[in-house]
Amino acid sequence: NAGVTQTPKFQVLKTGQSMTLQCAQDMNHNSMYWYRQDPGMGLRLIYYSASEGTTDKGEVPNGYNVSRLNKREFSLRLESAAPSQTSVYFCASTRPLRGETQYFGPGTRLLVL
Amino acid sequence: AQKITQTQPGMFVQEKEAVTLDCTYDTSDPSYGLFWYKQPSSGEMIFLIYQGSYDQQNATEGRYSLNFQKARKSANLVISASQLGDSAMYFCAMDNNAGNMLTFGGGTRLMVKP
Repeated sequence: NAGVTQTPKFQVLKTGQSMTLQCAQDMNHNSMYWYRQDPGMGLRLIYYSASEGTTDKGEVPNGYNVSRLNKREFSLRLESAAPSQTSVYFCASTRPLRGETQYFGPGTRLLVL
Repeated sequence: AQKITQTQPGMFVQEKEAVTLDCTYDTSDPSYGLFWYKQPSSGEMIFLIYQGSYDQQNATEGRYSLNFQKARKSANLVISASQLGDSAMYFCAMDNNAGNMLTFGGGTRLMVKP
C-alpha cells in the first residue's frame, strides 16, 4: 500500500516548456486534488476531481490543466511554464467523508527558469 | 468564501513545555471541519487532528489537543510536552460544507529549543 505517489520528485524547466506531473493513489479514493505551495505559504488548491470523470477549478487554476485518467490517476499539465509556476506541487486524495483527512503525496519540486 | 488566518509566523518553545498555535477562521457554512497538519523540513504533510463544528468535546490525539471556541471562530492547536521532533511548519485548514475541499492558513513555524 503505497498511498499517494507523485512523479517526478524534482524538475527544472525553461520558460515556455511543457510538462505533466503524475499522481496515483491506491486507496480507492473517489476525490483527488492538486495543490501548489509557494515558499513560506500554505497550500492553495489548483484543481480537484470529486469523482472519476469530473474535474473542477480551485483557487489558482490559471496556467494549468488536469486529467482524471481513471479512479487511481490524476495528472496536472503545464502547457507553457512560467517562472511564477515555480513551486512545490502536492497531490492528495480522500474518500471524502466528514472528518476524513486528505492523504498527501510527497510533492514535486518544480523550478522554472 | 472561507478564510483561515494563522497570525504567528514563527514561535519558539522550550523542550518539554506546552505550546499553543493560533488559528482563526471565517465561513458562512453551517457545518465544517477543522484540521491541523504538520510539515517537517522533509516536506511531507502529516495529519495531526480533526475537529467537527458540531462536536461537543474538543478533539485530542496523544500530545495534540484542539482548543475549539466556536463563538470566537478559533481552533488553536495545543502541543503538550514539546519534543525536538516537533520542530516543523504547522498548518490549520478548514473543509467546506460538502466536506470535500480544504482551505489552508499560511502556517506557523515552530522551533523547539533543547
